[in-house]
Amino acid sequence: AQSVAQPEDQVNVAEGNPLTVKCTYSVSGNPYLFWYVQYPNRGLQFLLKYITGDNLVKGSYGFEAEFNKSQTSFHLKKPSALVSDSALYFCAVRRIVSGGGADGLTFGKGTHLIIQP
Amino acid sequence: DTEVTQTPKHLVMGMTNKKSLKCEQHMGHRAMYWYKQKAKKPPELMFVYSYEKLSINESVPSRFSPECPNSSLLNLHLHALQPEDSALYLCASSNLMLAGNTGELFFGEGSRLTVL
Repeated sequence: AQSVAQPEDQVNVAEGNPLTVKCTYSVSGNPYLFWYVQYPNRGLQFLLKYITGDNLVKGSYGFEAEFNKSQTSFHLKKPSALVSDSALYFCAVRRIVSGGGADGLTFGKGTHLIIQP
Repeated sequence: DTEVTQTPKHLVMGMTNKKSLKCEQHMGHRAMYWYKQKAKKPPELMFVYSYEKLSINESVPSRFSPECPNSSLLNLHLHALQPEDSALYLCASSNLMLAGNTGELFFGEGSRLTVL
């Protein structure tokens, strides 16, 4: 079964410092990996995805993620954190069903990112 | 238009009530989803519709009844719910993973359900 793991419940970073939110994956076949962000009492917003190609993926709000096949990781990064980046971040993997049909995403447990002024 | 619209935003119901959650998208997506999310937990997949047909039911209790009347609308009918069903219910839509589509999901803001 496809799965992702987020080892940290919470990450604390000072404003202006670089941030990393970790994600590792376990999939059969080629992984389709995603990052989403959720602000309090809101839905999930898509940040970026890795399907194939360049291992460094750029997304919304200055975020990027690095796909590492040998370490089965897909860590989310940002060079300079903002207080407004404080939110709940989910790594996700596309489920696989035969025939290319709709299948949804399986999410990691989430990581609370807290940016301190 | 890249929005998924969910109504109502908040719903309080008793255990004997019948209510419905509604979801609408106009992005031409042919896959739609219902997820359930408890506080500070990841979303859990409930149902998937492909081309308006139910393709995945993650062993959800029958007190939850999904319906997809057309390619833009998705409903979740609720009946005889339990207090433990209180959660944020998220609707999402996506392209199907065919013809090179990568199929990221677009989520609505959710309907927060409280069962008394």
